[in-house]
Amino acid sequence: GAVVSQHPSRVICKSGTSVKIECRSLDFQATTMFWYRQFPKQSLMLMATSNEGSKATYEQGVEKDKFLINHASLTLSTLTVTSAHPEDSSFYICSASQARETQYFGPGTRLLVL
Amino acid sequence: AQRVTQPEKLLSVFKGAPVELKCNYSYSGSPELFWYVQYSRQRLQLLLRHISRESIKGFTADLNKGETSFHLKKPFAQEEDSAMYYCAPRTSGTYKYIFGTGTRLKVLA
Repeated sequence: GAVVSQHPSRVICKSGTSVKIECRSLDFQATTMFWYRQFPKQSLMLMATSNEGSKATYEQGVEKDKFLINHASLTLSTLTVTSAHPEDSSFYICSASQARETQYFGPGTRLLVL
Repeated sequence: AQRVTQPEKLLSVFKGAPVELKCNYSYSGSPELFWYVQYSRQRLQLLLRHISRESIKGFTADLNKGETSFHLKKPFAQEEDSAMYYCAPRTSGTYKYIFGTGTRLKVLA
């Protein structure tokens, strides 16, 4: 089946620094990638949708200048949390989809901002 | 507003017992309905979708448009079914899911 990877799996950073998370589709070309955030014991919340070669579409309430998304190729999307603060600590999950078919999820990245 | 409700946070059943995980939705238009599952230490994966009318790992789900429900059922639960289950409607023709809060199923030996 289709595989989506995320790197890193967990990251700890200091407040004020920026963190980049990569999402890769390993064996298929993803026309669309999605970024979710999951708080402890809560559901996945869609942050943004990105299509290869175009600007990401952010959900209401998500700061696009804080969560920079780049989808430079059909197999790679990156999420950069800029000037991270402790409240940005969360579990970030990406998913990838090919032509409106099933979304395949990555394993997630746990971010802890000290 | 689009909303999906999974009323049970935790559901414990004994092995071999029937199980039903409830999902109710409030959605404009005609959404597609999905169930996703996350086993311990694994990623989220698709379990089944209503348009396929399929049975996966013994699970079925019937879309009841009158009650706006999409409950997940299995007649005989197995220990390996223990996982987190998410109901997720999706606006037809789009990519966007709205995930429910999830139900943790524990199947006891």
